[in-house]
Amino acid sequence: GPKVLQIPSHQIIDMGQMVTLNCDPVSNHLYFYWYKQILGQQMEFLVNFYNGKVMEKSKLFKDQFSVERPDGSYFTLKIQPTALEDSAVYFCASSSGQYQNTLYFGAGTRLSVL
Amino acid sequence: GEQVEQLPSSLIVQEGASVLINCSYTDSASVYFPWYKQEPGKRLQFIIDIRSNMERKQTQRLTLLFDKKTKHLSLHITATQPGDSAIYFCSASINSNNRIFFGDGTQLVVKP
Repeated sequence: GPKVLQIPSHQIIDMGQMVTLNCDPVSNHLYFYWYKQILGQQMEFLVNFYNGKVMEKSKLFKDQFSVERPDGSYFTLKIQPTALEDSAVYFCASSSGQYQNTLYFGAGTRLSVL
Repeated sequence: GEQVEQLPSSLIVQEGASVLINCSYTDSASVYFPWYKQEPGKRLQFIIDIRSNMERKQTQRLTLLFDKKTKHLSLHITATQPGDSAIYFCSASINSNNRIFFGDGTQLVVKP
């Protein structure tokens, strides 16, 4: 089936550094999402994005977080600066429509902030 | 906000057995309930969904039941196989967006 690719699969950085997580969504999808899962905890919604804009974000989407998809390239999640509590697996997803549509997930990027 | 709970947290069964995973949610505005499966080291994979205007949906070995009054869902998997071993996630979303709330997951292990 359709696949969402996430690059890299694992990223290790020092606290305070900037990190960019990349997502290559399904080619004809228009809606994009980031979810965060801390080890042993629930997967939680961060943000969704459509037509170049953030549509909705949760309280987990701190001011240090930003998303963009310049010119139809990767959908990115940037964290600047990173904090220890940002260590988690970040899952990207995409869907073709906005309401009640199946989300297709990437395999996740494990971010370790030291 | 919406809270989704799943029980049990883990299940270990012999190949061929049937299993039942229960899920409950709190927000009566939730209308769409997709389920996902995550095999070790792999991505979440959509397996089945149900909308709040339905009571039952079945695909192959999966049957999903929905009770709007009690805000409860149950996923029934028949004739389990070792390849069914994964974490199963219940989720819920309201109509105005595609923001999905996930349960904690149920880890299913099917022994050959």
